[in-house]
Amino acid sequence: SQKIEQNSEALNIQEGKTATLTCNYTNYSPAYLQWYRQDPGRGPVFLLLIRENEKEKRKERLKVTFDTTLKQSLFHITASQPADSATYLCALDVGNYGQNFVFGPGTRLSVLP
Amino acid sequence: NAGVTQTPKFRVLKTGQSMTLLCAQDMNHEYMYWYRQDPGMGLRLIHYSVGEGTTAKGEVPDGYNVSRLKKQNFLLGLESAAPSQTSVYFCASSPSEDTQYFGPGTRLTVL
Repeated sequence: SQKIEQNSEALNIQEGKTATLTCNYTNYSPAYLQWYRQDPGRGPVFLLLIRENEKEKRKERLKVTFDTTLKQSLFHITASQPADSATYLCALDVGNYGQNFVFGPGTRLSVLP
Repeated sequence: NAGVTQTPKFRVLKTGQSMTLLCAQDMNHEYMYWYRQDPGMGLRLIHYSVGEGTTAKGEVPDGYNVSRLKKQNFLLGLESAAPSQTSVYFCASSPSEDTQYFGPGTRLTVL
C-alpha cells in the first residue's frame, strides 16, 4: 500500500541546535516534494519545494534533501529558535503535476529555550 | 490582497443536515483544492479543480460535492452530514504545480 511517514509525532530540541525531520514514503514516485509549516489553528504555509532531480535545496536556515532511491526527504532547521516551534508537514505530488497531493501526518517540533 | 479566505470559520450541524463551505481566492490561481485534517491523519484531499468549470475527486470524496463556477471560488457541499465528517476543512489554491496557498480553515462539528 502507499504510505507517507514522518519520523515522529513530536520532536523536542534545545535552542541553537539543528532540528532534523524525516519524511519517508513507499510505493510513490513523486516528481517533487514540498515542506510546509503549520501553527495551531492555522492553515499550512509553504516553505520549500524540491524536485526529483535535485539533491538539496536551501533557504536561509532551512535545508531539504531528497533521495529518490531511499524514498526519503530530510528537512533541517539550523540554529533553531523557539519561534520555529510548529508542526511540519511533507507533501508529495502523486499525479498529473500539481493536481494531486498526499500529505504526511506531520511532526510537531518544540524548540526549548 | 486577502489571499485565500474561507467561510464560515466554525459550524455545528446535526446529522443529516446539509451545508456549503465557500473558498475564495484573489490571486487568479488556476488550481484549487479542498482538504480535511483529522488528528494523526494529516491532510487528505477531498476534491480539486484545475480550472473554472472543472472538478476531480481526491483521496476521500465520498459524501462531498464541489463546484467551480467562477475561477476565484471553490464550493464544498455536504449533502447529508454525518458525524464522521467532523473535521477541520482547508481550502488551498495554486498557480501551478508549485506552492499551495492555504486558507485559515473551517472547523465543522456534526452532532
